[in-house]
Amino acid sequence: NAGVTQTPKFRVLKTGQSMTLLCAQDMNHEYMYWYRQDPGMGLRLIHYSVGEGTTAKGEVPDGYNVSRLKKQNFLLGLESAAPSQTSVYFCASTNRQGRYGYTFGSGTRLTVV
Amino acid sequence: AQSVTQLDSQVPVFEEAPVELRCNYSSSVSVYLFWYVQYPNQGLQLLLKYLSGSTLVKGINGFEAEFNKSQTSFHLRKPSVHISDTAEYFCAAPVAGGTSYGKLTFGQGTILTVHP
Repeated sequence: NAGVTQTPKFRVLKTGQSMTLLCAQDMNHEYMYWYRQDPGMGLRLIHYSVGEGTTAKGEVPDGYNVSRLKKQNFLLGLESAAPSQTSVYFCASTNRQGRYGYTFGSGTRLTVV
Repeated sequence: AQSVTQLDSQVPVFEEAPVELRCNYSSSVSVYLFWYVQYPNQGLQLLLKYLSGSTLVKGINGFEAEFNKSQTSFHLRKPSVHISDTAEYFCAAPVAGGTSYGKLTFGQGTILTVHP
């Protein structure tokens, strides 16, 4: 089925370790986003991309980096994980207009100990 | 900046009862608005959206929402809930200011719990 695929689904990191979360979409969407979800805080935008080779900061970008080398993939990196980055991470994509809503991935549950 | 406020963090209700989940947004200009549903341990699914035209919007699973520009509200309703409607619901609106690039701001979420 067409959609957004996130890998991995679960991960436990030690403080200071690094990792990359992968998001892949097969809908030819221009715009892609990384959000984090924390209890009682809704979803907060980390970084986003409006096309291949472009990225921009969202509301809570500190401690994260992103890359979009191919249109279908959007990678989120944590260079030195901290316990405050324990969260559920969601990738989403939409068409250029964005008026028709996002398609979300199923999420990555990250725990930093 | 645009903000979205969901007025109830938790809503308990009995099966087959009606429910209303409340959402207010900060801007009075014409906007497009969304409700998403998140079932336990899953991603978010689009429930319904308001783009323009009729202020009453129907979505999946029998939900509907009414866009009220004067009250800057977009409340979600269902006349008779089922156990399977137990989930967290999020209201979302585009980020205001300049070109939004499709960015959305989300409310804090309302956990709907349907009891038998």
